Amino acid sequence: AQTVTQSQPEMSVQEAETVTLSCTYDTSENNYYLFWYKQPPSRQMILVIRQEAYKQQNATENRFSVNFQKAAKSFSLKISDSQLGDTAMYFCAFMRDRTDKLIFGTGTRLQVFP
Amino acid sequence: DAGVTQSPTHLIKTRGQQVTLRCSPKSGHDTVSWYQQALGQGPQFIFQYYEEEERQRGNFPDRFSGHQFPNYSSELNVNALLLGDSALYLCASSLEGGSPYEQYFGPGTRLTVT
Repeated sequence: AQTVTQSQPEMSVQEAETVTLSCTYDTSENNYYLFWYKQPPSRQMILVIRQEAYKQQNATENRFSVNFQKAAKSFSLKISDSQLGDTAMYFCAFMRDRTDKLIFGTGTRLQVFP
Repeated sequence: DAGVTQSPTHLIKTRGQQVTLRCSPKSGHDTVSWYQQALGQGPQFIFQYYEEEERQRGNFPDRFSGHQFPNYSSELNVNALLLGDSALYLCASSLEGGSPYEQYFGPGTRLTVT
């Protein structure tokens, strides 16, 4: 069975600084999908960034980028130029194939300070 | 274009009662997945509906049941409520055969069991 582990329950960063959230996962699959979701206090789960395991190039979306290490089964999220609006819970998630369920980690609470 | 909607927003029930939660998928989506998110945890997959049938099921007891209607909307029913059923219930919709990234979440229903 696949598992997703987020070892940082809470993180904090000053506005405009850079922060990295960690995620590791366990799977025997070779092809799969990885995601980072943001859940602000409004509770709406919002997709931040995604990565297909067969792609070696790390995904980037504006200020958000990932460091995908397939052999190490690691998928960290880097947020550059942190903004107050980045304050939220961040969940790492795994999907085996496009019809499968999402498997989430326990989340990291990120607080951005002015 | 409305995204995923869920009703009600909040609900308070007593132990032993039954509850029905509702989800309308994003326009054009035909697959609905339900997740339970306990306080301070990541969402856990309950089940997925496609073509009005339960296609996948997570590790939840039979007290949790669902339904999908011809218009693709869905209901989650929980019988014999327990205190441990208190959680945020999230609905996500997607399109069969579509991009694995195109999974949209609703704002959730907060269920409190007293």
